[in-house]
Amino acid sequence: DGGITQSPKYLFRKEGQNVTLSCEQNLNHDAMYWYRQDPGQGLRLIYYSQIVNDFQKGDIAEGYSVSREKKESFPLTVTSAQKNPTAFYLCASSPGGANTEAFFGQGTRLTVV
Amino acid sequence: DAKTTQPTSMDCAEGRAANLPCNHSTISGNEYVYWYRQIHSQGPQYIIHGLKNNETNEMASLIITEDRKSSTLILPHATLRDTAVYYCIVIHNNAGNMLTFGGGTRLMVKP
Repeated sequence: DGGITQSPKYLFRKEGQNVTLSCEQNLNHDAMYWYRQDPGQGLRLIYYSQIVNDFQKGDIAEGYSVSREKKESFPLTVTSAQKNPTAFYLCASSPGGANTEAFFGQGTRLTVV
Repeated sequence: DAKTTQPTSMDCAEGRAANLPCNHSTISGNEYVYWYRQIHSQGPQYIIHGLKNNETNEMASLIITEDRKSSTLILPHATLRDTAVYYCIVIHNNAGNMLTFGGGTRLMVKP
């Protein structure tokens, strides 16, 4: 089945450790996005990529890094520099262009202890 | 991209129409209006989008005012499963747009 997959669903890490969240899509979409969501809040854009080997910072990129080496994959690394990493992380993809819908993964809930 | 303003929360009786407003007074001619919804702890789901004309699909109807400064999402017969946060966003007509979400409207459908 076509879709966008995030793994794992739940992730626990110790403070000070980097952690990488996976996002894979088999929809042949050019654009991919990472969002952070805190309890009771809306989605905030971390990074987005329009095409392979290119990505741009969103509103809250500090403490995060991404790569886009393959069209299907857009992993997000939460570094130790991110002061409040515990959150719900959502990945999305779209064909690109304004007249196309985005598809979201089911999210990864990261807890840093 | 233009900003949007939505009420923080709304209630609707089950079986009734839910009308969710969105203000986008700074929208430009090339920006589309999109609606997504997010059920608790899940990824957002696309509902509908439009540019100028009203649109309808199996989930909802989208009514855009003639001046395009506001729109209304209509769920014709709301069910308990429609309880969710509804996001209205506008996206410019160029490739690789940033999808920027506001706070959305928390719709509670009550029996």
